[in-house]
Amino acid sequence: AQKITQTQPGMFVQEKEAVTLDCTYDTSDPSYGLFWYKQPSSGEMIFLIYQGSYDQQNATEGRYSLNFQKARKSANLVISASQLGDSAMYFCAMREGNTGGFKTIFGAGTRLFVKA
Amino acid sequence: DTAVSQTPKYLVTQMGNDKSIKCEQNLGHDTMYWYKQDSKKFLKIMFSYNNKELIINETVPNRFSPKSPDKAHLNLHINSLELGDSAVYFCASSQVSGGHTQYFGPGTRLTVL
Repeated sequence: AQKITQTQPGMFVQEKEAVTLDCTYDTSDPSYGLFWYKQPSSGEMIFLIYQGSYDQQNATEGRYSLNFQKARKSANLVISASQLGDSAMYFCAMREGNTGGFKTIFGAGTRLFVKA
Repeated sequence: DTAVSQTPKYLVTQMGNDKSIKCEQNLGHDTMYWYKQDSKKFLKIMFSYNNKELIINETVPNRFSPKSPDKAHLNLHINSLELGDSAVYFCASSQVSGGHTQYFGPGTRLTVL
Protein backbone atom coordinates (compact mmCIF):
# COMPACT_ATOMS: atom_id res chain seq x y z
CA ALA A 1 0.00 0.00 0.00
CA GLN A 2 1.17 3.50 -0.76
CA LYS A 3 2.36 5.21 2.36
CA ILE A 4 2.63 8.65 0.79
CA THR A 5 0.26 9.74 -1.96
CA GLN A 6 0.56 12.84 -4.05
CA THR A 7 -2.39 12.83 -6.42
CA GLN A 8 -1.40 15.80 -8.55
CA PRO A 9 1.31 14.91 -11.07
CA GLY A 10 1.30 18.50 -12.34
CA MET A 11 -0.10 21.83 -11.21
CA PHE A 12 -0.25 25.29 -12.76
CA VAL A 13 -0.47 28.51 -10.76
CA GLN A 14 -0.40 32.16 -11.74
CA GLU A 15 2.47 34.21 -10.38
CA LYS A 16 1.62 35.93 -7.06
CA GLU A 17 -1.25 33.55 -6.34
CA ALA A 18 -1.31 30.87 -3.64
CA VAL A 19 -1.21 27.17 -4.45
CA THR A 20 -1.86 24.02 -2.44
CA LEU A 21 -0.03 20.79 -3.16
CA ASP A 22 -1.80 17.74 -1.79
CA CYS A 23 -0.27 14.95 0.25
CA THR A 24 -1.91 12.12 2.15
CA TYR A 25 -0.09 9.55 4.21
CA ASP A 26 -0.75 6.23 5.85
CA THR A 27 0.77 5.05 9.10
CA SER A 28 -0.26 3.31 12.29
CA ASP A 29 2.72 4.68 14.18
CA PRO A 30 1.66 7.49 16.56
CA SER A 31 5.05 9.15 16.20
CA TYR A 32 6.04 10.32 12.75
CA GLY A 33 7.40 13.29 10.85
CA LEU A 34 6.24 14.87 7.64
CA PHE A 35 8.46 16.79 5.25
CA TRP A 36 8.30 18.70 2.02
CA TYR A 37 11.20 19.02 -0.37
CA LYS A 38 11.66 21.04 -3.53
CA GLN A 39 13.65 19.80 -6.51
CA PRO A 40 14.26 22.48 -9.15
CA SER A 41 15.39 21.58 -12.65
CA SER A 42 19.01 21.90 -11.48
CA GLY A 43 18.41 18.68 -9.55
CA GLU A 44 19.23 19.39 -5.91
CA MET A 45 16.81 18.40 -3.16
CA ILE A 46 15.96 21.39 -0.94
CA PHE A 47 14.29 20.92 2.43
CA LEU A 48 11.31 23.25 2.85
CA ILE A 49 9.31 22.42 5.95
CA TYR A 50 8.81 19.82 8.71
CA GLN A 51 5.80 18.85 10.84
CA GLY A 52 5.98 16.43 13.73
CA SER A 53 2.96 14.27 14.50
CA TYR A 54 2.67 15.71 18.01
CA ASP A 55 3.02 19.32 16.94
CA GLN A 56 -0.13 21.24 17.77
CA GLN A 57 0.46 24.10 15.39
CA ASN A 58 0.81 23.92 11.63
CA ALA A 59 4.40 24.48 10.55
CA THR A 60 5.28 27.64 8.66
CA GLU A 61 8.50 28.73 6.98
CA GLY A 62 8.32 32.02 5.15
CA ARG A 63 5.94 31.59 2.21
CA TYR A 64 5.52 27.88 2.94
CA SER A 65 3.00 26.46 5.35
CA LEU A 66 1.97 22.90 6.02
CA ASN A 67 -1.75 22.31 6.45
CA PHE A 68 -1.64 19.35 8.84
CA GLN A 69 -4.94 17.51 9.29
CA LYS A 70 -4.10 14.54 11.45
CA ALA A 71 -7.49 12.85 11.45
CA ARG A 72 -7.60 12.98 7.66
CA LYS A 73 -3.93 12.01 7.42
CA SER A 74 -3.16 14.87 5.13
CA ALA A 75 -0.19 17.23 5.04
CA ASN A 76 -0.75 19.68 2.24
CA LEU A 77 1.86 22.27 1.33
CA VAL A 78 0.62 25.80 0.79
CA ILE A 79 2.84 28.21 -1.10
CA SER A 80 1.69 31.81 -0.84
CA ALA A 81 2.47 34.54 -3.39
CA SER A 82 3.97 32.15 -5.95
CA GLN A 83 7.12 33.24 -7.73
CA LEU A 84 8.58 32.05 -11.03
CA GLY A 85 11.40 30.45 -9.08
CA ASP A 86 8.88 28.18 -7.36
CA SER A 87 8.55 26.17 -10.58
CA ALA A 88 9.95 22.79 -9.56
CA MET A 89 9.12 19.27 -8.47
CA TYR A 90 7.78 19.02 -4.92
CA PHE A 91 8.02 15.89 -2.81
CA CYS A 92 6.10 15.02 0.32
CA ALA A 93 7.83 12.56 2.65
CA MET A 94 7.15 10.76 5.91
CA ARG A 95 9.45 9.35 8.57
CA GLU A 96 7.85 6.77 10.87
CA GLY A 97 8.92 6.41 14.46
CA ASN A 98 11.73 8.07 16.35
CA THR A 99 14.16 5.24 16.83
CA GLY A 100 15.92 2.70 14.71
CA GLY A 101 15.83 3.03 10.99
CA PHE A 102 14.81 6.66 10.56
CA LYS A 103 13.43 5.48 7.25
CA THR A 104 11.84 8.22 5.20
CA ILE A 105 9.44 7.40 2.40
CA PHE A 106 8.85 9.83 -0.44
CA GLY A 107 5.79 10.43 -2.56
CA ALA A 108 5.89 10.44 -6.35
CA GLY A 109 6.06 14.22 -6.48
CA THR A 110 4.05 17.08 -7.96
CA ARG A 111 5.50 19.24 -10.69
CA LEU A 112 4.52 22.88 -10.17
CA PHE A 113 4.54 25.35 -13.04
CA VAL A 114 4.29 29.05 -12.17
CA LYS A 115 2.97 31.21 -15.02
CA ALA A 116 4.00 34.83 -15.50
CA ASP B 1 31.19 25.50 3.30
CA THR B 2 28.94 22.96 1.59
CA ALA B 3 26.83 20.99 4.08
CA VAL B 4 26.59 17.67 2.21
CA SER B 5 28.93 17.12 -0.71
CA GLN B 6 29.20 14.29 -3.20
CA THR B 7 31.84 13.39 -5.75
CA PRO B 8 31.72 12.99 -8.62
CA LYS B 9 28.72 14.98 -9.86
CA TYR B 10 28.61 13.04 -13.11
CA LEU B 11 29.79 9.51 -13.77
CA VAL B 12 29.68 7.88 -17.20
CA THR B 13 30.95 4.33 -17.43
CA GLN B 14 30.66 1.06 -19.30
CA MET B 15 28.62 -1.94 -18.22
CA GLY B 16 30.59 -4.30 -16.06
CA ASN B 17 32.84 -1.65 -14.52
CA ASP B 18 33.18 -0.94 -10.80
CA LYS B 19 32.72 2.61 -9.53
CA SER B 20 32.51 4.53 -6.27
CA ILE B 21 30.66 7.64 -5.17
CA LYS B 22 31.86 9.56 -2.13
CA CYS B 23 29.80 11.59 0.31
CA GLU B 24 30.85 13.89 3.12
CA GLN B 25 28.81 16.02 5.52
CA ASN B 26 30.06 18.79 7.79
CA LEU B 27 26.81 19.25 9.70
CA GLY B 28 27.86 17.08 12.63
CA HIS B 29 24.97 14.70 11.91
CA ASP B 30 25.10 11.11 13.08
CA THR B 31 22.96 9.48 10.39
CA MET B 32 23.68 9.28 6.68
CA TYR B 33 21.75 7.82 3.76
CA TRP B 34 21.98 6.79 0.14
CA TYR B 35 18.97 7.25 -2.15
CA LYS B 36 18.40 6.33 -5.77
CA GLN B 37 16.22 8.57 -7.97
CA ASP B 38 15.08 6.91 -11.17
CA SER B 39 14.15 8.49 -14.49
CA LYS B 40 10.58 9.04 -13.28
CA LYS B 41 11.93 11.04 -10.32
CA PHE B 42 10.92 8.37 -7.81
CA LEU B 43 13.21 8.57 -4.79
CA LYS B 44 13.94 5.36 -2.90
CA ILE B 45 16.14 4.78 0.09
CA MET B 46 18.93 2.25 -0.31
CA PHE B 47 21.00 2.38 2.86
CA SER B 48 21.32 4.27 6.10
CA TYR B 49 24.14 4.42 8.63
CA ASN B 50 23.86 5.69 12.19
CA ASN B 51 27.18 6.34 13.93
CA LYS B 52 28.93 4.16 11.34
CA GLU B 53 26.50 1.28 11.91
CA LEU B 54 24.29 0.03 9.07
CA ILE B 55 20.65 0.44 10.16
CA ILE B 56 18.73 0.40 6.91
CA ASN B 57 19.49 -1.98 4.09
CA GLU B 58 16.67 -2.04 1.59
CA THR B 59 16.30 -4.65 -1.11
CA VAL B 60 19.32 -3.60 -3.10
CA PRO B 61 21.51 -5.93 -5.20
CA ASN B 62 24.61 -6.96 -3.30
CA ARG B 63 26.65 -5.34 -6.08
CA PHE B 64 26.01 -2.17 -4.06
CA SER B 65 28.14 -1.86 -0.95
CA PRO B 66 28.11 1.15 1.35
CA LYS B 67 31.04 1.98 3.61
CA SER B 68 31.15 4.49 6.42
CA PRO B 69 34.70 5.12 7.63
CA ASP B 70 33.45 7.71 10.13
CA LYS B 71 30.28 9.64 10.99
CA ALA B 72 31.00 12.33 8.43
CA HIS B 73 31.54 10.05 5.43
CA LEU B 74 29.43 7.49 3.61
CA ASN B 75 30.68 6.04 0.34
CA LEU B 76 28.87 3.84 -2.15
CA HIS B 77 30.71 1.25 -4.19
CA ILE B 78 29.00 -0.43 -7.11
CA ASN B 79 30.40 -3.58 -8.72
CA SER B 80 29.64 -4.92 -12.18
CA LEU B 81 27.55 -1.97 -13.25
CA GLU B 82 24.39 -2.67 -15.24
CA LEU B 83 22.30 -0.48 -17.54
CA GLY B 84 19.54 -0.38 -14.91
CA ASP B 85 21.88 1.24 -12.43
CA SER B 86 21.69 4.47 -14.43
CA ALA B 87 20.07 7.01 -12.10
CA VAL B 88 20.81 9.94 -9.83
CA TYR B 89 22.22 8.88 -6.48
CA PHE B 90 21.72 11.19 -3.54
CA CYS B 91 23.50 11.18 -0.24
CA ALA B 92 21.75 12.74 2.76
CA SER B 93 22.35 13.25 6.46
CA SER B 94 20.21 13.91 9.50
CA GLN B 95 20.18 14.30 13.27
CA VAL B 96 17.55 13.42 15.89
CA SER B 97 16.90 17.05 16.76
CA GLY B 98 14.67 18.57 14.10
CA GLY B 99 12.85 15.32 13.59
CA HIS B 100 15.59 13.74 11.52
CA THR B 101 15.15 16.24 8.73
CA GLN B 102 17.37 15.01 5.94
CA TYR B 103 19.71 17.34 4.12
CA PHE B 104 20.72 16.19 0.69
CA GLY B 105 23.88 16.37 -1.34
CA PRO B 106 23.77 17.66 -4.91
CA GLY B 107 23.42 14.18 -6.38
CA THR B 108 25.58 12.06 -8.66
CA ARG B 109 24.20 11.32 -12.11
CA LEU B 110 25.39 7.85 -13.07
CA THR B 111 25.09 6.79 -16.69
CA VAL B 112 25.93 3.22 -17.61
CA LEU B 113 26.54 2.62 -21.32
